[in-house]
Amino acid sequence: AQSVTQLGSHVSVSEGALVLLRCNYSSSVPPYLFWYVQYPNQGLQLLLKYTSAATLVKGINGFEAEFKKSETSFHLTKPSAHMSDAAEYFCAVIPNQAGTALIFGKGTTLSVSS
Amino acid sequence: NAGVTQTPKFRVLKTGQSMTLLCAQDMNHEYMYWYRQDPGMGLRLIHYSVGEGTTAKGEVPDGYNVSRLKKQNFLLGLESAAPSQTSVYFCASSPATPRGYTQYFGPGTRLTVL
Repeated sequence: AQSVTQLGSHVSVSEGALVLLRCNYSSSVPPYLFWYVQYPNQGLQLLLKYTSAATLVKGINGFEAEFKKSETSFHLTKPSAHMSDAAEYFCAVIPNQAGTALIFGKGTTLSVSS
Repeated sequence: NAGVTQTPKFRVLKTGQSMTLLCAQDMNHEYMYWYRQDPGMGLRLIHYSVGEGTTAKGEVPDGYNVSRLKKQNFLLGLESAAPSQTSVYFCASSPATPRGYTQYFGPGTRLTVL
C-alpha cells in the first residue's frame, strides 16, 4: 500500500537556521506528493506539490522540496527559519494510477527558537 | 468567499449519543472528504465523495455514516458515539481529483466523547 513516512515527529531550529523536514514514500512508481502546513488551531494549508513536472518544487513562504526518485524522498527545506514557521507539517501522497484522496504522514512539529 | 466551513467548531457528547457534523463549500467542488486527526497519527480518511449522491469508504469508516444530498454539503454522522471517536475532524474539498487540483481544508471540529 502507498504510504509516506516522516522522519522525526519534532524538529527544533533556531531562527535563521536551515529547516529540513524529511519525507519518504513507498511506491514502485512516482506518486503525486504534497506538503501541507497546519498552524495551531487551524486547518491545513497547501505549501507545495509535486506532480512530475519538475523535481524541485517551490512553494509558499520560502519553502521548497526536491523529489528524488532514487531515494524515494521528498524532503522539505527552507534556507532561513522564521518564528512564524512554527507549525505542524504533513507530507502526503496520492498513488499515481489510482486514488482519489490524500494519504498523510504522521506529521512533524517544527519549533523555532529566537 | 467562505471556502470550506464546518459546523459546529466544538462539541462534547456522552457515550451513545448521536450527532451530525456539517461541512459546506461554496467553490462548486465535486470532491469532498472527511478526515480525523489524532495526536501522532496524522490525518486519516473516514469517507469521501466524488460527486453529489455518491459516497465511499476511506481508511477508518467504522462508526461513521455520510451523506452528500447536495453538491455543496457533506454530512458526517455518528449514530452512537464512543470515546474512541474523540478527535478533531476536518472536512476538505477539491474541484476534481486531488492528483491535479488542490484540496482545501476547513477549520476543523473538535469532538470530545465522554
